[in-house]
Amino acid sequence: DTGVSQDPRHKITKRGQNVTFRCDPISEHNRLYWYRQTLGQGPEFLTYFQNEAQLEKSRLLSDRFSAERPKGSFSTLEIQRTEQGDSAMYLCASQRLADSHEQYFGPGTRLTVT
Amino acid sequence: QQQVKQSPQSLIVQKGGISIINCAYENTAFDYFPWYQQFPGKGPALLIAIRPDVSEKKEGRFTISFNKSAKQFSLHIMDSQPGDSATYFCAARKSSGDKLTFGTGTRLAVRP
Repeated sequence: DTGVSQDPRHKITKRGQNVTFRCDPISEHNRLYWYRQTLGQGPEFLTYFQNEAQLEKSRLLSDRFSAERPKGSFSTLEIQRTEQGDSAMYLCASQRLADSHEQYFGPGTRLTVT
Repeated sequence: QQQVKQSPQSLIVQKGGISIINCAYENTAFDYFPWYQQFPGKGPALLIAIRPDVSEKKEGRFTISFNKSAKQFSLHIMDSQPGDSATYFCAARKSSGDKLTFGTGTRLAVRP
C-alpha cells in the first residue's frame, strides 16, 4: 500500500497524559499537512511542513501541541497534557507540489480523552 | 469565521435520483475548489475539483458547477447509488500548496 499511513488508528488516553501520533506520507511528497476533525464537522487545518520546515501553524494549535518532520519524511504530532476537548480525529495529508494540487489523506487517528 | 458554507447538512435521495450539494465561499483569493468524499472511519478522498476559470467540470456521474460572480459552487451526483452514501465536503484553497478550508459536510443517504 503506497498511500498515506497513520499510527495508531485509535488512541484512548486519560486527561493529562501525553500522546504522540505518527504520519507516513506518500513517498516523495514534500508537503505534509495535519488537520483535526471533530464529529459532524469538516477537517480543520492545524499545521503543515514543506520537507522538514514547518511553514504554518493554525491558531488552533495551542502550546500543548507540537509537530515535527525531522528528516522530511514521516511526521509526528504530540499533544501534551491532553484535555477532553482534544478528542477528535487527527488527519494527515501529503502532496507533491511539483505536479499536483491534490492532497491525499490518511485514514486518521481517532483520539478519545477520558 | 466560516469561510466556506455548505448546505444542506443532510440529504436523502432515492436510488437513481440526482443529489445536489451547495457551497459558498467568501475569500476571492481561493483558486481551487475540490470535493471530498468520506466514509465512516476513513480519511477524506478527493472526488473531483475545479479551478475558477471554468464553469463546469464533469467526471462520470459527478459534476461541479461553478459560479465565480456569486462565489458559489455545487456538486451534482447523477444516478445516485446506495454506494454513494457518505459524507461530502467541499473545500477551497488559495494556491497550489496552501491548506484546505473545508465546509461543514453533507451526509448523503441514497435509499434503494
